[in-house]
Amino acid sequence: AQTVTQSQPEMSVQEAETVTLSCTYDTSESNYYLFWYKQPPSRQMILVIRQEAYKQQNATENRFSVNFQKAAKSFSLKISDSQLGDTAMYFCAFRPIQGAQKLVFGQGTRLTINP
Amino acid sequence: NAGVTQTPKFQVLKTGQSMTLQCAQDMNHEYMSWYRQDPGMGLRLIHYSVGAGITDQGEVPNGYNVSRSTTEDFPLRLLSAAPSQTSVYFCASSYSKYGTNYGYTFGSGTRLTVV
Repeated sequence: AQTVTQSQPEMSVQEAETVTLSCTYDTSESNYYLFWYKQPPSRQMILVIRQEAYKQQNATENRFSVNFQKAAKSFSLKISDSQLGDTAMYFCAFRPIQGAQKLVFGQGTRLTINP
Repeated sequence: NAGVTQTPKFQVLKTGQSMTLQCAQDMNHEYMSWYRQDPGMGLRLIHYSVGAGITDQGEVPNGYNVSRSTTEDFPLRLLSAAPSQTSVYFCASSYSKYGTNYGYTFGSGTRLTVV
């Protein structure tokens, strides 16, 4: 069974700073997807970034980038030039390419951006 | 607006009552799923469907039923509500093309309280 672990329950940084959220996972699969989702106070789940395990290049989306270390089973999210609107819960999620399309989520990290 | 629509947004039930959480998507996604979100536990999969007429159990299926008679709809039924089912429920849909998954679209959630 796959598991996803987010070891930082809460983080807090000042606006404009860079912050990195950690995620590790455990799987015997060789091909899979990894995701970061953002959940603001509105409760909506918003896809931030997506990585395919067979791609060595780290995914980037504007101020958001990942550090994907397949051998270490690590998938951290870096937010550059953080903004007040980045305040949210962030969830790391895993999905194997083969088989049923089941997302496995980590416990979440509550990120607060302070003015 | 294209997306995943969940109703109701809030619900209070008495122990032993039954109800159905509705989920509809208009994106022709073949895959739909239900998750529950509890503090400190991330999102956990209840049931999922890979197409009309096909459903299967996720990680926490007890006390819930699903059916998928059409591509668009995937209702979640609580048979006899219990306080342990107090949670926020999310419906999600996704699709794959040529073996590549293009991420998941989530509904806005239903906050259910069982008293």
